[in-house]
Amino acid sequence: EIVLTQSPATLSLSPGERATLSCRASQSLSSNLAWYQQKPGQAPRLLLYDASNRATGIPARFSGSGSGTDFTLTISSLEPEDFAVYYCQQRSNWLTFGGGTKVEIK
Amino acid sequence: QVQLVQSGAEVKKPGASVKVSCKASGYTFTGYYMHWVRQAPGQGLEWMGWINPNSGGTNYAQKFKGRVTMARDTSISTAYMALSGLRSDDTAVYFCARDLGDTLTTTAWLDPWGQGTLVTVSS
Repeated sequence: EIVLTQSPATLSLSPGERATLSCRASQSLSSNLAWYQQKPGQAPRLLLYDASNRATGIPARFSGSGSGTDFTLTISSLEPEDFAVYYCQQRSNWLTFGGGTKVEIK
Repeated sequence: QVQLVQSGAEVKKPGASVKVSCKASGYTFTGYYMHWVRQAPGQGLEWMGWINPNSGGTNYAQKFKGRVTMARDTSISTAYMALSGLRSDDTAVYFCARDLGDTLTTTAWLDPWGQGTLVTVSS
């Protein structure tokens, strides 16, 4: 099983700041990685797939980079609605998710 | 618009079975794989498997093989996930989620998701 490790577990930032979230895989994924956002009491929402492609309707402030084992989700300037939990997911070997990063208001 | 609407919350006793439904609208139901993912309270996401609504073919995560059954009724555009031998650690919100790509270009990226169904296992 491919293990995805997300860091940090919690990120405390203010609106307008830049957020950088990391996802590290236990083996190479090529670009087979997606990012999801989940708000309390809601289902996850797809943000990015194939490491860097934004899903339909996702604002340009969300961007993804990386390949192989190290991936990054960047939110260029945090909006109030961006405070949530973010998960990465791989599809190279079955499907597994990372443990999540909570982006909270500082 | 594409929408997935799931059945309501369930409370089950240990050892029982549960069946969750997921009604699709806004697209051709048989054209996209449907995945099931669960989330225990305060925990992360766990993929359970998928069903091809066109053929009825399934693929289950190893952890759930022998306990999970995924099915569909194309006449009402509804997918089902049944889990047997329930234990307390099966208490979770269960989500259905459509594959981003159609059955010819399946992607294993999940979009959109249903609203979730809370299954509580308690004696």
